[in-house]
Amino acid sequence: GIQVEQSPPDLILQEGANSTLRCNFSDSVNNLQWFHQNPWGQLINLFYIPSGTKQNGRLSATTVATERYSLLYISSSQTTDSGVYFCATPGNTPLVFGKGTRLSVIA
Amino acid sequence: GAVVSQHPSRVICKSGTSVKIECRSLDFQATTMFWYRQFPKQSLMLMATSNEGSKATYEQGVEKDKFLINHASLTLSTLTVTSAHPEDSSFYICSANRGFLEKLFFGSGTQLSVL
Repeated sequence: GIQVEQSPPDLILQEGANSTLRCNFSDSVNNLQWFHQNPWGQLINLFYIPSGTKQNGRLSATTVATERYSLLYISSSQTTDSGVYFCATPGNTPLVFGKGTRLSVIA
Repeated sequence: GAVVSQHPSRVICKSGTSVKIECRSLDFQATTMFWYRQFPKQSLMLMATSNEGSKATYEQGVEKDKFLINHASLTLSTLTVTSAHPEDSSFYICSANRGFLEKLFFGSGTQLSVL
């Protein structure tokens, strides 16, 4: 089945810093989602981005389907951005998740 | 956006008891819902696909007699953990979408602790 790899696994940022999270997938995809799981476990949809670039406030995402990767950009990070960021794409199951990037933003 | 409600958010039970978790799609009909399980600091793993009006489809290694799924209506799926044991302690999350390849929306999760 499809493999989803995320990097880095852990990231610590000073408040106000920018960061880039990466998601590589082993096969072509027609659906790629980014989620933020907050410290209480809630999964929040950030982007549904099978290809191209989308922006939502301080967050943006780019998926290059032909090269099998997606990037999530976080600018001017805030402490509320802390949590785990997952990318996911359908494989044999409705969504196959990467292992996530655990982000800690410190004041 | 679509809303998926999950209840309860947290449950603590004694070993041997059964626990029921509900998942509701509040503003859309979902013929299919999905149940995921997440261990601490790990990713989400699909347990089963819940199909309205028919039997659930379980992933390899998931015991169907342990994790009973009922999808009685287009807006409600339930997961019952039967005869729970400490190793069943985990975070369970349900999800649903409006249709094939549509984006998935997730419930808020249920933290199950079995003593």
